[in-house]
Amino acid sequence: ETGVTQSPTHLIKTRGQQVTLRCSSQSGHNTVSWYQQALGQGPQFIFQYYREEENGRGNFPPRFSGLQFPNYSSELNVNALELDDSALYLCASTLTSGANVLTFGAGSRLTVL
Amino acid sequence: TQLLEQSPQFLSIQEGENLTVYCNSSSVFSSLQWYRQEPGEGPVLLVTVVTGGEVKKLKRLTFQFGDARKDSSLHITAAQTGDTGLYLCAGAIRSARQLTFGSGTQLTVLP
Repeated sequence: ETGVTQSPTHLIKTRGQQVTLRCSSQSGHNTVSWYQQALGQGPQFIFQYYREEENGRGNFPPRFSGLQFPNYSSELNVNALELDDSALYLCASTLTSGANVLTFGAGSRLTVL
Repeated sequence: TQLLEQSPQFLSIQEGENLTVYCNSSSVFSSLQWYRQEPGEGPVLLVTVVTGGEVKKLKRLTFQFGDARKDSSLHITAAQTGDTGLYLCAGAIRSARQLTFGSGTQLTVLP
């Protein structure tokens, strides 16, 4: 059974650019959530996708968007990057929609200069 | 907005000592989870508590959920260097899609 895999592991962008982060869910999990973890903080919920539709969103602006594909893999897109977007972005999958038991990937470390 | 406050923020102890980490909120949660996160990794679930007053033991770790389901504690007995990591509590509300995380307690166990 494979876990949650994320790519890239690290990347550096400049202000105003756009970034796409990718996540492959754990086998059999149909729900994926994205969290942002700033340095020294706990993860903050961005949004959740279930059956290819967003079904929950945290307090993040519209420039944070996502996709879920038929194979349950997912993307997080961030437009017009700001310095404060520098963080570890975590993807987590669950068996069903809801908070439940999350299996996290190792994250993508984004640095915005 | 549900907030979870963890204390202490940082904790450095010698191997063999005991410690307790606290997680407090003014909100009621349907369940509360504890995670441990190591550098370069995502959080890994340690335990889920769902009943007020519940106590769960996992080897040297003891987790307690408050009677009112607003707070929780994690007690580690005879800490080992392998216990070093960031400990996060996270609360869930039945109707919500997300977990609300605390800011974490960075534990360092020195040999």
